[in-house]
This record gives sequence, C-alpha cells and structure tokens, in this order.
Amino acid sequence: QKEVEQDPGPLSVPEGAIVSLNCTYSNSAFQYFMWYRQYSRKGPELLMYTYSSGNKEDGRFTAQVDKSSKYISLFIRDSQPSDSATYLCAMKKGTQGAQKLVFGQGTRLTINP
Amino acid sequence: DAEITQSPRHKITETGRQVTLACHQTWNHNNMFWYRQDLGHGLRLIHYSYGVQDTNKGEVSDGYSVSRSNTEDLPLTLESAASSQTSVYFCASGKGDTQYFGPGTRLTVL
Repeated sequence: QKEVEQDPGPLSVPEGAIVSLNCTYSNSAFQYFMWYRQYSRKGPELLMYTYSSGNKEDGRFTAQVDKSSKYISLFIRDSQPSDSATYLCAMKKGTQGAQKLVFGQGTRLTINP
Repeated sequence: DAEITQSPRHKITETGRQVTLACHQTWNHNNMFWYRQDLGHGLRLIHYSYGVQDTNKGEVSDGYSVSRSNTEDLPLTLESAASSQTSVYFCASGKGDTQYFGPGTRLTVL
C-alpha cells in the first residue's frame, strides 16, 4: 500500500465550478503538507503549503488538512481554464533535518470554457 | 534570476549505454533531489543530497548513481540504461521545506 493515495482522475469540470482534490495518507509521521501544480511538459511548482490541521486560503485556493482522518484537500473556487493542470499532493515527515517529500500520483484536472 | 536547469531536455539512448543527466541550480541551495515521473506512480525519489559530498538513496535508486562535488550541480548517472528507465526525470533543489523543480528531461531507452 502506498503511503500517499491520490485519485489520478482525470477530472473535467466547467469553468466557474468549485473543484475538490483529495489525498489520503497512512503514516501519522507526516507533519507538513503541500500541493504542487504541474502544467503539461513542465516541472511541478509549489502552490500551497500547510503544517497544522485546518484551512489555509490563498486567493481562489484553499488547502485543508485533517490529521485525525489523515486526509488533505485542495479546493479551487471559480475555476478557470488556466487552472487546467495536474495537481500533486506532497508530504514531509516531521523528523528534524528530513527534507524528503512523498508525492501522491497526481490528479489531472481540465477546466472546460 | 536564480534558476534550476536540466540538460539535455530530451535524450534517446540504447539499452546498456551509460547516460548522465545534468542538473544545475544557482540558488545556492544545499538540498538537491532527483525524481522520476511515470504514469500511475507520480513522482518517485531516486537520490538526494543535503550538501557537498553527501548523497543518499531514495525509493527507486537501483541502477542510478549521483555525485555532489559542488553546491550547484547534482548529475544523475544511469550506469547501464534499461528500457524500464524510460521516464521523465526531474531535478529539484530546496532550502527548508520548499523544493523548486527543473523543467525535466525526457529519456527514452530503446
């Protein structure tokens, strides 16, 4: 069983819809949670970073972490065609000095005009 | 502007050949990472380094090696390329919890 599970999709929604992307994890040692966005034939770029349980908002994006359920989410409001990309969740353990990330498979998202 | 670059961007090679993929960053980051990305597997860590002369194996290190002789570069070598190593390879560098990714190298092993 993978440490981090993410539905690969693909997910296709109309412009303006609210998008929900999710990951589950099995290792309670994960303390830091990130969402990366990857456009086609490009490298991933950091979109959101969070440490504690709860919500973190940045513009149209909200990252949610529920450590008790080992579940993280990324919500995109008022989705735009430019949001079409693959979204990868990533996690890091709290061990001091450990900088390795464990990634989910990525969810391919298409926003239709 | 500081950046991270990878070369070549595309490479076709034959089974059994030695291949080296270059990664260069100008941020002066101590941490550097190599990943491969395949359908159904996401990004998997191959090797990583926390500083000069430091290298560590990741999740899928068999058949790969790295060396870190300076802060800026972490070349990835495939000792004897296999068809199973056909993939897209990403290099990343970082400080603290953030990693910045290069544009990737698409490698095909025939």
